Amino acid sequence: GAVVSQHPSRVICKSGTSVKIECRSLDFQATTMFWYRQFPKQSLMLMATSNEGSKATYEQGVEKDKFLINHASLTLSTLTVTSAHPEDSSFYICSAIGRQHNSPLHFGNGTRLTVT
Amino acid sequence: ILNVEQSPQSLHVQEGDSTNFTCSFPSSNFYALHWYRWETAKSPEALFVMTLNGDEKKKGRISATLNTKEGYSYLYIKGSQPEDSATYLCAFIIQGAQKLVFGQGTRLTINP
Repeated sequence: GAVVSQHPSRVICKSGTSVKIECRSLDFQATTMFWYRQFPKQSLMLMATSNEGSKATYEQGVEKDKFLINHASLTLSTLTVTSAHPEDSSFYICSAIGRQHNSPLHFGNGTRLTVT
Repeated sequence: ILNVEQSPQSLHVQEGDSTNFTCSFPSSNFYALHWYRWETAKSPEALFVMTLNGDEKKKGRISATLNTKEGYSYLYIKGSQPEDSATYLCAFIIQGAQKLVFGQGTRLTINP
């Protein structure tokens, strides 16, 4: 089946630094990638939708200057958390979808970010 | 604001028993409903993509039904096994939008 690789799986950083998370589709072309965040005991919250070669569409309340998303190719999207604060500590997970109509999402394994 | 509700939030079932849980979603402008299984330390895995009212899909011991007119989907697991323990997520896509809105999930634990 389709594989999405997300890296790193776990990262600890200091306040004020930036962290980049990569999401790669290994065996299919991901026309669209989604970035989600999960707060404890809550559902996956969509942060942004990115289409290859165009600017990401951010959900209401998500700061685009803080969470930079780049989808430079059909197999790679990156999320950069800039000037991280402790409240950015969370679980971030990406998913990708191919061209086929009504195909399911393929998820990465997620990244646990801890900002100290 | 799109609201996708799953119930119950958690469920404990004895091995061998059958179980089911619900996903409720807005009945207007329906496009598709997805079900995913999310096991601990793994990535969510797609179970079903459902698009038509009255759809019924099956994968081994797991099946799902869809009622778009009243806005709900049921997921059934027959003869539960310990490996069925996971969080089951449903996600709704509205017509014209590209994004999936997820419910909170039902955390299922199978007791041996």
